[in-house]
Amino acid sequence: DAGVIQSPRHEVTEMGQEVTLRCKPISGHDYLFWYRQTMMRGLELLIYFNNNVPIDDSGMPEDRFSAKMPNASFSTLKIQPSEPRDSAVYFCASSLATGVNSPLHFGNGTRLTVT
Amino acid sequence: QKEVEQNSGPLSVPEGAIASLNCTYSDRGSQSFFWYRQYSGKSPELIMFIYSNGDKEDGRFTAQLNKASQYVSLLIRDSQPSDSATYLCAVTKNNDMRFGAGTRLTVKP
Repeated sequence: DAGVIQSPRHEVTEMGQEVTLRCKPISGHDYLFWYRQTMMRGLELLIYFNNNVPIDDSGMPEDRFSAKMPNASFSTLKIQPSEPRDSAVYFCASSLATGVNSPLHFGNGTRLTVT
Repeated sequence: QKEVEQNSGPLSVPEGAIASLNCTYSDRGSQSFFWYRQYSGKSPELIMFIYSNGDKEDGRFTAQLNKASQYVSLLIRDSQPSDSATYLCAVTKNNDMRFGAGTRLTVKP
């Protein structure tokens, strides 16, 4: 399996622009997670989906952030408008199930820089 | 209080020594506990998981869980320079996984 695929690997944009991050989970995995990682705050859970349905978006920082999963093989995380404090590495991860014996498989991440 | 707490380090050990990494969690209802390793600039990768009290061994790695004390640890025996990385403790309850800030480990040759 190719693993979790994220694109782009790097994104540099100006404040106020719209940013869209993309993720293809591992085939057959029912859960998809979006995390953000910064030096100050570590890995933060933003939102997760089960069978394409958003289950918990309490980690989404503001209304500027939105996430969708139109089908089992694709998800997007959108930031509109972007701000410098959004600069971070964004990881997508998927798992076969959750809880016991269900580790997350991470993509390579998207490094976002907002100037 | 953070949900998952780790000593940020850095923790430095000589090659061949035992490295001990610790993690505490706040929610007594937490169900599963994971250790991930993250090299600089890379994504986290799973080392092992544990969900029952006691020890679980996998090669040079041993995870220890004490639910009464809300404590989980990772021991790395015969540490190698290639073990130098940040180690993330993760805890699940219901469907989501929460991570600690990570402990940076350096193994010196």
